[in-house]
Amino acid sequence: GAVVSQHPSRVICKSGTSVKIECRSLDFQATTMFWYRQFPKQSLMLMATSNEGSKATYEQGVEKDKFLINHASLTLSTLTVTSAHPEDSSFYICSAIPGQGADGELFFGEGSRLTVL
Amino acid sequence: TQLLEQSPQFLSIQEGENLTVYCNSSSVFSSLQWYRQEPGEGPVLLVTVVTGGEVKKLKRLTFQFGDARKDSSLHITAAQTGDTGLYLCAPFSGGYQKVTFGTGTKLQVIP
Repeated sequence: GAVVSQHPSRVICKSGTSVKIECRSLDFQATTMFWYRQFPKQSLMLMATSNEGSKATYEQGVEKDKFLINHASLTLSTLTVTSAHPEDSSFYICSAIPGQGADGELFFGEGSRLTVL
Repeated sequence: TQLLEQSPQFLSIQEGENLTVYCNSSSVFSSLQWYRQEPGEGPVLLVTVVTGGEVKKLKRLTFQFGDARKDSSLHITAAQTGDTGLYLCAPFSGGYQKVTFGTGTKLQVIP
């Protein structure tokens, strides 16, 4: 199946700093990628849709100035958590749909666990 | 926003038991997907159901799409420890449409 890779897998930072998470599609081009956030024992919450070459589309309640998304190429989308605070600590996961197959299977990265001290 | 409620929220069972988890909504969906997520990893697609009343089997897992296409169920026969994980349902509209997940069912199978 298609491969989506995230980096870093774990990151610990101090409050007030910014953290960048990368999401790469390794064997396909992804014009669209999705960023999710997941708290412990909870489901995935869609944060935004990342569109190559254009602005991301954010879900209601997600601060676009807080969570900066850049989709500069067909294989890379980045999520930057700006001025991170402890409440931003979470598991962030990206995903992409390769092609337009009948199932439209969403392939996910391994996730990035952010801990803000 | 289409809200998908999954039940139960948590389920802990012994190996060998059977179980059913549910995914319900007041909205009608063109199709619905089930994913399983293991701790510390991204979800993996299990199945897509498209037709109302459709039943799909994946080894010990049986998926059913409601006749009205508003709900779905997942039945696991003779659960194994490898079935442990978070089960998520999500409506699927095709193409590059965004995917929003249900509330999830966390399953723990005890040896």
